[in-house]
Amino acid sequence: DSGVTQTPKHLITATGQRVTLRCSPRSGDLSVYWYQQSLDQGLQFLIQYYNGEERAKGNILERFSAQQFPDLHSELNLSSLELGDSALYFCASSPSRDPRTNEQFFGPGTRLTVL
Amino acid sequence: ELKVEQNPLFLSMQEGKNYTIYCNYSTTSDRLYWYRQDPGKSLESLFVLLSNGAVKQEGRLMASLDTKARLSTLHITAAVHDLSATYFCAVAPNTGNQFYFGTGTSLTVIP
Repeated sequence: DSGVTQTPKHLITATGQRVTLRCSPRSGDLSVYWYQQSLDQGLQFLIQYYNGEERAKGNILERFSAQQFPDLHSELNLSSLELGDSALYFCASSPSRDPRTNEQFFGPGTRLTVL
Repeated sequence: ELKVEQNPLFLSMQEGKNYTIYCNYSTTSDRLYWYRQDPGKSLESLFVLLSNGAVKQEGRLMASLDTKARLSTLHITAAVHDLSATYFCAVAPNTGNQFYFGTGTSLTVIP
């Protein structure tokens, strides 16, 4: 158990819908990262937040957005869902006391299925 | 964009044998990470390599980093069935902290 929690574990929805994935980082970690894992694209970085502010953006679609709240939990919002958005979405957090080491601890993931 | 290549993609090996997984990356970085993923599970951190020549060992696994060659290796010694999993390398660019992952190596250890 990494200490990172994600809810829900599984999500099944229809095309065109909108969903919200939630992540709570390890206690004390200020950085949160979102990654998408799919069979065709592999593991891809989506977005990073640090202490409430967006820090880096990767291959995140315009239909996707995220935020980090004052209590440091983060939410990833996916809208106008398409079949190709079906994937495993991971959240990771890293300690702030040693930013160079940047070891990232991954949550259990949310498996999204779009029908 | 930073590219990370891993090979082989699939590896089937007998128990007791040795093998090496390779991870090449495309741009300057001196931070490389190895993770293990079991089917349907999350990623478990194995090694953090932070400088040229870094070598770390844990049990039957040993990882090394050559930043000049932009190459990391994960060496498996005397494989056992419990090592069956998918192994990923990830690289953080010098300009940021996000990870760029390799394609993964699916390892199956056969009794």
